[in-house]
Amino acid sequence: EAGVTQFPSHSVIEKGQTVTLRCDPISGHDNLYWYRRVMGKEIKFLLHFVKESKQDESGMPNNRFLAERTGGTYSTLKVQPAELEDSGVYFCASSHTSDFGQGVINYGYTFGSGTRLTVV
Amino acid sequence: LAKTTQPISMDSYEGQEVNITCSHNNIATNDYITWYQQFPSQGPRFIIQGYKTKVTNEVASLFIPADRKSSTLSLPRVSLSDTAVYYCLVVHTGTASKLTFGTGTRLQVTL
Repeated sequence: EAGVTQFPSHSVIEKGQTVTLRCDPISGHDNLYWYRRVMGKEIKFLLHFVKESKQDESGMPNNRFLAERTGGTYSTLKVQPAELEDSGVYFCASSHTSDFGQGVINYGYTFGSGTRLTVV
Repeated sequence: LAKTTQPISMDSYEGQEVNITCSHNNIATNDYITWYQQFPSQGPRFIIQGYKTKVTNEVASLFIPADRKSSTLSLPRVSLSDTAVYYCLVVHTGTASKLTFGTGTRLQVTL
């Protein structure tokens, strides 16, 4: 099966510009997550979609970041306007869960290769 | 979720067994332990997970003592291609909630 695909793999933009990152999860995965690692820091959670709904957006740094998942398939993460501190690698992950009435079973998380964003 | 602590870096020679220990003192009853591997320019990749005792797959073994306050990832006979960052994570059972990454352990394998 195809994995999690992220586009573009690299992006270099000037401060103040807008950039849109895209993530295509594994087909059938209801859960989609965005993470990022800025230089020298740990990988940090940004937000979690369940289908088209935002389940948890507690990690979004500020209102310059907008994530969407229209139709519950692919997702976009827009940064507008970009700042220097937004530089880093943005990862997307997806997972599949089932609920058989005795609790949710999570079948594991699959990550994409990331988008390296450089704001100059 | 329980905080994890693991060594920042480790070095090994090719062909040796590498054991990376992670502490998670505050692990809850319904948490399990999972390990991910990350190569440069790639996203983290699942290696192994377990709840208690020992789990083995084609890539690694995971040892979890009875108190579950730590776990050890064992990589048998490492090769140069095992050079990567290894993350130990504690995940809440029965949810699809976020993963919380720590610093990871940077393993460098040389000849």
